Amino acid sequence: QITLKESGPTLVKPTQTLTLTCTLSGLSLRTTGVGVAWIRQPPGKALEWLALIYWDDDEHYTPSLQSRLTITKDTSLNQVVLTLTNVHPMDTATYYCAHRKNIASPFDYWGQGTLVTVSS
Amino acid sequence: DIQMTQSPSTLSASVGDRVTITCRASQSVGTWLAWFQQKPGKAPNLLIYKASSLQSGVPSRFSGSGSGTEFTLTISSLQPDDFATYYCQQYNSYLLTFGPGTKVDVK
Repeated sequence: QITLKESGPTLVKPTQTLTLTCTLSGLSLRTTGVGVAWIRQPPGKALEWLALIYWDDDEHYTPSLQSRLTITKDTSLNQVVLTLTNVHPMDTATYYCAHRKNIASPFDYWGQGTLVTVSS
Repeated sequence: DIQMTQSPSTLSASVGDRVTITCRASQSVGTWLAWFQQKPGKAPNLLIYKASSLQSGVPSRFSGSGSGTEFTLTISSLQPDDFATYYCQQYNSYLLTFGPGTKVDVK
């Protein structure tokens, strides 16, 4: 059974760095082609793709947030980590991680999401 | 970036209605287009990929069509479980983008 699970803080203060972890089960980050993305959704708003990392460490970021985002993976732990620096209240959102089989595939498996609130 | 738009933003319909949602891309994405259904408090669920391929386990009342810059999602006969928000997403580019969503609610 394939599952993804996000973990991290629920409350972060403005200007701090947010670190989120996606733990994968039932699939491996070593598998050729595999990619894992982070996608967020502010309350009541649309989905926004943030970053994506592939099995071979190829990384891609949404241009508007690229300077604040870093995506990394730990193959031994089967985890993907997203960091977002200098957070502000507009970063309040549910953050999802999602899997794709390869560059020609859609996001077929998603985590349940984790709500992060940015507030002092 | 490739920008995605959807119309309508909200659609009011009744059980049994045929429902069509349109998604447009600012430049050609070929057929690299997916549709997702999302219910409140839940993660999106993949319905359609490659513009017209039905994801395993998704009811056949859902169908997708289109290529290039214009795509449609059709629900042939709306069921109670289908009231939700629907998003298109292009994956033609390394930079992925979602549409703004279409909410299907009860008429």
